[in-house]
Amino acid sequence: AQSVTQPDIHITVSEGASLELRCNYSYGATPYLFWYVQSPGQGLQLLLKYFSGDTLVQGIKGFEAEFKRSQSSFNLRKPSVHWSDAAEYFCAVAPGNRDDKIIFGKGTRLHILP
Amino acid sequence: KAGVTQTPRYLIKTRGQQVTLSCSPISGHRSVSWYQQTPGQGLQFLFEYFSETQRNKGNFPGRFSGRQFSNSRSEMNVSTLELGDSALYLCASSPRPPTDTQYFGPGTRLTVL
Repeated sequence: AQSVTQPDIHITVSEGASLELRCNYSYGATPYLFWYVQSPGQGLQLLLKYFSGDTLVQGIKGFEAEFKRSQSSFNLRKPSVHWSDAAEYFCAVAPGNRDDKIIFGKGTRLHILP
Repeated sequence: KAGVTQTPRYLIKTRGQQVTLSCSPISGHRSVSWYQQTPGQGLQFLFEYFSETQRNKGNFPGRFSGRQFSNSRSEMNVSTLELGDSALYLCASSPRPPTDTQYFGPGTRLTVL
């Protein structure tokens, strides 16, 4: 069965430092991959998505993610975080088979130190 | 375009009652998905509707049900509420499932006393 793992429940970084949030998936074929962000009291907002093509994907708010087929990973990165990036981040996988459903990871909560 | 709207935003019920939550998708979107979000379990998929048909269902008891209308608006119903049903219920719409980007509403915060 397909699954998504975000191994880090919480991550703390200093403002201005670089960030990498990990996401590993288990799926037989190349899935469609997403990163969403959720600020407190809000719904989820799409940061970026990967369907095919260039494995380095640029998103909003200065985020990027790299798809690595050999590692079944889709890690989210940002070169320099801002205090406003403090939120919860979710990785999601959608199958290529349209009969199946999208699956979300359990999320990583990002804390920013001033 | 207006985003996904969910009503009500907050709800307080007591055990044994039932509740109906509403979701209006983005205009033109025909797919609506529902999720339950709790601190312990994270985001859990409830069900997905596309063109008034349930495409997929998560692992929730039959007390949880939903439907979608011809205008793509969707409702979910929870009967015989339990304390553990307290959660943020999120609705997401997309043009087509499952690979199109999902756009989320702000959620309905349900508290069961």
